[in-house]
Amino acid sequence: RKEVEQDPGPFNVPEGATVAFNCTYSNSASQSFFWYRQDCRKEPKLLMSVYSSGNEDGRFTAQLNRASQYISLLIRDSKLSDSATYLCVVNIVGNTGKLIFGQGTTLQVKP
Amino acid sequence: NAGVTQTPKFQVLKTGQSMTLQCAQDMNHNSMYWYRQDPGMGLRLIYYSASEGTTDKGEVPNGYNVSRLNKREFSLRLESAAPSQTSVYFCASSIPGDGEQYFGPGTRLTVT
Repeated sequence: RKEVEQDPGPFNVPEGATVAFNCTYSNSASQSFFWYRQDCRKEPKLLMSVYSSGNEDGRFTAQLNRASQYISLLIRDSKLSDSATYLCVVNIVGNTGKLIFGQGTTLQVKP
Repeated sequence: NAGVTQTPKFQVLKTGQSMTLQCAQDMNHNSMYWYRQDPGMGLRLIYYSASEGTTDKGEVPNGYNVSRLNKREFSLRLESAAPSQTSVYFCASSIPGDGEQYFGPGTRLTVT
């Protein structure tokens, strides 16, 4: 079983739609959580950290459910420029900074 | 600031050839990482260096060696390339323990 699992998609949505991605992690020692964004043939970049209380950054909302060991990302009012692959990432206690990456969920926003 | 730079951007090797992928960062980060990314597999850690002078194996170290030349530079060497090493290789750096890693633009390697 992969340590971080995501539905690879692709998710095809029209502009303006709301879309949600989920991610599950298997290691209960996971201590911090992130969403990274990767554009086609580019390097990954941090989109946002995920906090226990949930957090919002403009049109993006991230939630963490420690009891069920899943993380979500909600994108409201999708833009064409949101088309990318979204990587769920966890950091495990005592892992000396090593991150565990999910395989990513691909989003295509259509006009 | 250039951030994280990698050379080369593209490389084609024949089976059995060797090469070194170069990575440098100018953000004064202590920690550096090498990943490979394959379709359907996500990013997998090959080796990392928590600080200058130390290196450790990641999830998929077989067939690779690394050198942390100084605080700025972390190189990845393939001694005898195999077709299974065809992949996109990313170098990254971070402050130790920080969840934000900064990635280089990647090296696309094909082994025939």
